[in-house]
Amino acid sequence: KAGVTQTPRYLIKTRGQQVTLSCSPISGHRSVSWYQQTPGQGLQFLFEYFSETQRNKGNFPGRFSGRQFSNSRSEMNVSTLELGDSALYLCASSPHRLAGGYEQYFGPGTRLTVT
Amino acid sequence: GESVGLHLPTLSVQEGDNSIINCAYSNSASDYFIWYKQESGKGPQFIIDIRSNMDKRQGQRVTVLLNKTVKHLSLQIAATQPGDSAVYFCAENSGNTPLVFGKGTRLSVIA
Repeated sequence: KAGVTQTPRYLIKTRGQQVTLSCSPISGHRSVSWYQQTPGQGLQFLFEYFSETQRNKGNFPGRFSGRQFSNSRSEMNVSTLELGDSALYLCASSPHRLAGGYEQYFGPGTRLTVT
Repeated sequence: GESVGLHLPTLSVQEGDNSIINCAYSNSASDYFIWYKQESGKGPQFIIDIRSNMDKRQGQRVTVLLNKTVKHLSLQIAATQPGDSAVYFCAENSGNTPLVFGKGTRLSVIA
């Protein structure tokens, strides 16, 4: 099975711009979660989508949003970029909802740099 | 490669020795625990998981120990190899909550 893919792998944006990141989960996986990883804060949960519905949301401002399509592919959007949004954005998929605890499979991440 | 943590605790181990990576968690309601390995430039990779109804689980060269009394989780890697060099994260969740990740420990294997 192909793993989780994320595009693009690297992105440079300017403060104030917006960005859309894409994630294709493992075939058959219906849950997609997004995480932000920074050296200072570590891995922080952004949100989870399951069957096109947001099921869980982390403690991030409304500038961070996402969606999931009927084929389980997911996108996340960050509007009005700030320097502090520079991070590695990771997508993870699972055949189950996070509830109850199940293994997630991570993609390689998108490295976003905001200048 | 990616820098996943500039000030992570680091464990240096001689090749062939056993490694023990520790993790403390705070939520006594957590009932699922998982260890991930992250190599430079890659996303986290699943190593092993354990549910709260167990206190030990073994995989290939790895063992996870769970002590619910003191809310402590450990990952033991037998016969550590250079390819084991990476950052290791523990994560926990309960019920409907998303996974909460620890800060990570950098394992450095000395050949």
